[in-house]
Amino acid sequence: SQTIHQWPATLVQPVGSPLSLECTVEGTSNPNLYWYRQAAGRGLQLLFYSVGIGQISSEVPQNLSASRPQDRQFILSSKKLLLSDSGFYLCAWSAGYGYTFGSGTRLTVV
Amino acid sequence: KQEVTQIPAALSVPEGENLVLNCSFTDSAIYNLQWFRQDPGKGLTSLLLIQSSQREQTSGRLNASLDKSSGRSTLYIAASQPGDSATYLCAVSGAGSYQLTFGKGTKLSVIP
Repeated sequence: SQTIHQWPATLVQPVGSPLSLECTVEGTSNPNLYWYRQAAGRGLQLLFYSVGIGQISSEVPQNLSASRPQDRQFILSSKKLLLSDSGFYLCAWSAGYGYTFGSGTRLTVV
Repeated sequence: KQEVTQIPAALSVPEGENLVLNCSFTDSAIYNLQWFRQDPGKGLTSLLLIQSSQREQTSGRLNASLDKSSGRSTLYIAASQPGDSATYLCAVSGAGSYQLTFGKGTKLSVIP
């Protein structure tokens, strides 16, 4: 069966520090991978998606970047965090039949 | 641009009641519609997926319907239980698009 792993679960980082969130998928090949952000009181916003290794599309301009170094690995990064980067980050995958989400990372930038 | 609206934003019901959550979307050219559940501080759990060619899906006490032409979906929960308390999110994916567009959710509280 397919599973998705996302870590860490919570993270508190100072402004200006770097960020790296990792997501891995098991049990499927060549999935579409996604990073979403859920800010307090707001809906889910698509940040990045990837249809293959090294292929990244960004939906909104921001302080973040994404990479897909392996077929089932998706990484969200930042060189310097801003206060506005605080939120709940969710990784997801799809293979043409619905989406499956990870358990999320709560990021607080202080 | 696809927009998804969920009504009501919050709902409180006594245990045992049947209830309906509503979802509407502006662009009927969807690939599928998915209902999720989110518990506080947790990720999203998929409840039901309805493909654009389908009219409804059922899983246990849950039934989701889709009327693509009118841009509406409903999630029916039978015999509600306190464990059903959560935020329910409706999301649609567009034909030819990788983006899943979400509503802002309905926060359900089932009172024992």
